[in-house]
Amino acid sequence: NAGVTQTPKFQVLKTGQSMTLQCAQDMNHEYMSWYRQDPGMGLRLIHYSVGAGITDQGEVPNGYNVSRSTTEDFPLRLLSAAPSQTSVYFCASIASVTDTQYFGPGTRLTVL
Amino acid sequence: TQLLEQSPQFLSIQEGENLTVYCNSSSVFSSLQWYRQEPGEGPVLLVTVVTGGEVKKLKRLTFQFGDARKDSSLHITAAQPGDTGLYLCAGAHTNAGKSTFGDGTTLTVKP
Repeated sequence: NAGVTQTPKFQVLKTGQSMTLQCAQDMNHEYMSWYRQDPGMGLRLIHYSVGAGITDQGEVPNGYNVSRSTTEDFPLRLLSAAPSQTSVYFCASIASVTDTQYFGPGTRLTVL
Repeated sequence: TQLLEQSPQFLSIQEGENLTVYCNSSSVFSSLQWYRQEPGEGPVLLVTVVTGGEVKKLKRLTFQFGDARKDSSLHITAAQPGDTGLYLCAGAHTNAGKSTFGDGTTLTVKP
């Protein structure tokens, strides 16, 4: 039981490049979320999903796309990377009964 | 936007001291979670409080949910260097599929 896995752990992009951050969970949770965390700050919600085929925007969705074709996977796509997207990105899987969020180890992204 | 305000933002204390961290909102939540995050890792759940007025104890940590379910506090007794980290509170609504996080309290406990 791996919990929540994220790849890659580190990534450096040039402005304008696109990439996909991968997230997978093996706990059969319906709810999943993507957050970004900037230095010394809490977590800001980018997008979330309440089940396969259902996604919605969070607090800071601009510049990001998501899809949820299966319960297990919830990839986050950066369409055209900008330096303002330099951050640490966390994926979370949520146990709906308790609202407990299980976080992946994070992806540290730098956009030059 | 439902905001959660945490205070203080930074706290530096000596080993053995007590401390309290606060999490306040103008919104009512169905549950509130406290997480602890260490550098380079994702947040890890400490506790979930659900009932207004609820008090939960986890060894030297005491968590309280306000009667109106809008605020919460975390009290640490006899802090130890191993308590150092970023403490985050998060408010949730049942079946909403998302949570609102505070900006966190960075705690440093000096030996």
